[in-house]
Amino acid sequence: GESVGLHLPTLSVQEGDNSIINCAYSNSASDYFIWYKQESGKGPQFIIDIRSNMDKRQGQRVTVLLNKTVKHLSLQIAATQPGDSAVYFCAENRGSSNTGKLIFGQGTTLQVKP
Amino acid sequence: KAGVTQTPRYLIKTRGQQVTLSCSPISGHRSVSWYQQTPGQGLQFLFEYFSETQRNKGNFPGRFSGRQFSNSRSEMNVSTLELGDSALYLCASSGESGETQYFGPGTRLLVL
Repeated sequence: GESVGLHLPTLSVQEGDNSIINCAYSNSASDYFIWYKQESGKGPQFIIDIRSNMDKRQGQRVTVLLNKTVKHLSLQIAATQPGDSAVYFCAENRGSSNTGKLIFGQGTTLQVKP
Repeated sequence: KAGVTQTPRYLIKTRGQQVTLSCSPISGHRSVSWYQQTPGQGLQFLFEYFSETQRNKGNFPGRFSGRQFSNSRSEMNVSTLELGDSALYLCASSGESGETQYFGPGTRLLVL
């Protein structure tokens, strides 16, 4: 089915280090992107979003970078903490004709070592 | 503001039965989208409702249906359940654009 690609299924980092989770997308019409965090037994939790007219957006300890030229999205987490351990998904919206429909990547599992 | 709520949280059914899942969106949100999450296929879009109308639909068979009520609460129904329908069913609510979606905890469905 449709999907957004992620480069690595699992990422293991040391507590306190920075984490970078990558995502590749294929549809040039995509104009809105979201990163979600999903902990075991819970629904996806909104982290940060970015529109295609931006290339960077920052939140609390998180930064999303968008490179439209190579269709690449990344999520940077600063000073990674044990509570950041979860599965991270990127999702894209492919324009107004796809209202309410997000296309999700397969997810990257972030493991934080104490 | 209360988040998205889904009921029931867990459900066990047998093949051939039907099931109805319920979703209450965040207050003020009028768009509700439904997704199926499985280990093999990941998160797959089922359909989206806005103002009681289906506005978008994914690639699922007609056994999967939904509706939305005037208070924006939504239900999805799966008829003639198959083993492969075992999954986590998630609903998400958003404003009019349907873009920034906030998810509920999901309903875990097991079909035996």
